Amino acid sequence: GQQVMQIPQYQHVQEGEDFTTYCNSSTTLSNIQWYKQRPGGHPVFLIQLVKSGEVKKQKRLTFQFGEAKKNSSLHITATQTTDVGTYFCAGRNQGGKLIFGQGTELSVKP
Amino acid sequence: EAQVTQNPRYLITVTGKKLTVTCSQNMNHEYMSWYRQDPGLGLRQIYYSMNVEVTDKGDVPEGYKVSRKEKRNFPLILESPSPNQTSLYFCASSGDRAYQPQHFGDGTRLSIL
Repeated sequence: GQQVMQIPQYQHVQEGEDFTTYCNSSTTLSNIQWYKQRPGGHPVFLIQLVKSGEVKKQKRLTFQFGEAKKNSSLHITATQTTDVGTYFCAGRNQGGKLIFGQGTELSVKP
Repeated sequence: EAQVTQNPRYLITVTGKKLTVTCSQNMNHEYMSWYRQDPGLGLRQIYYSMNVEVTDKGDVPEGYKVSRKEKRNFPLILESPSPNQTSLYFCASSGDRAYQPQHFGDGTRLSIL
């Protein structure tokens, strides 16, 4: 079946370093959502991208949707300990089905 | 407060003993779904419902049942639980299937011995 591949699975960074997670779909997506799950918590919606080539920013977080609407990235500038958690992308296929990536677990060393 | 409520939060039980995990949302959302989360596999959809009395299989429906008799409730039923259903389960709801964000419950950690 259709998959949304997310890499890396784990990322350990020193506080202040940047972090990026990537998602790739085998087929064109109608939109993509990003979620953050804190340790022991539940996924919380961060943002949705709909347009080809769209870039959105939330403070230190930058989200991009590829031109072909098959890939997306989340970049965090100057990570902080509060950024710790697992980041999930979720791509919506043309049929409306939401498919989650495997998630990237971010740990930040103070 | 807008929320999705799951119960129980934790459950340890034995193989074959029927159990139900309840899910209720107070946002008048049409769309509800169940996911299981396993290490390295992300969130996999078990079942979803687009409205009352309308349910459909997700990616991993085997061994699970659901019902949607009321808009606010979407229980997950394990008729005969087995150890491979040990997992973290999330219920989610959204106002519209296509574009609205998913609102997740706090999760239910099930251990089947």
